Amino acid sequence: GAVVSQHPSRVICKSGTSVKIECRSLDFQATTMFWYRQFPKQSLMLMATSNEGSKATYEQGVEKDKFLINHASLTLSTLTVTSAHPEDSSFYICSARDTSGSDTQYFGPGTRLTVL
Amino acid sequence: AQKVTQAQTEISVVEKEDVTLDCVYETRDTTYYLFWYKQPPSGELVFLIRRNSFDEQNEISGRYSWNFQKSTSSFNFTITASQVVDSAVYFCALSEGPGSGYALNFGKGTSLLVTP
Repeated sequence: GAVVSQHPSRVICKSGTSVKIECRSLDFQATTMFWYRQFPKQSLMLMATSNEGSKATYEQGVEKDKFLINHASLTLSTLTVTSAHPEDSSFYICSARDTSGSDTQYFGPGTRLTVL
Repeated sequence: AQKVTQAQTEISVVEKEDVTLDCVYETRDTTYYLFWYKQPPSGELVFLIRRNSFDEQNEISGRYSWNFQKSTSSFNFTITASQVVDSAVYFCALSEGPGSGYALNFGKGTSLLVTP
């Protein structure tokens, strides 16, 4: 299947700092990427839909000024957690939609963010 | 409202037993897609299957099989002769197509533990 990478896989930062997470589709172009958040022992919750060349669409309750999303190319979307706080500690997972062939979403390996 | 219901929170079986994971979904769309993903302890989501609403054929892939029944809005997943490596959290997900931007609505997951 298609490959989606995320970087970094794990990050620990101090409260108040900003953290950028990259999501790349390695062998296909993705006009649409998605960002999900997963708290321990819970399901994945959609945060936002990222469309290449346009503004992201955020889910209700997700602060767009806190979670900045940029999808500048067909293979890269970034999520920046600005002024991170301990409650932002979570597992962030991106997915990329491969519209060729089976039109399936492939997920990155996730980024575990810990804010101290 | 929860669009995907996985009523079984945790299941524990002994190796070689068969196990069925239930998934019930809710949608008003006539075109939609159903997915199953596996999430091992490492956290990475592994794609297992995608089924569109027009294809009710059941599918078998090795020890895995899926039973899609539109009449009961269910998309159940059976593992035959379970193995310890099957231990993971399994998520059922629904995509309602263009109207939702193809984002996935996840169930809460079923944690499967297979013991030797």
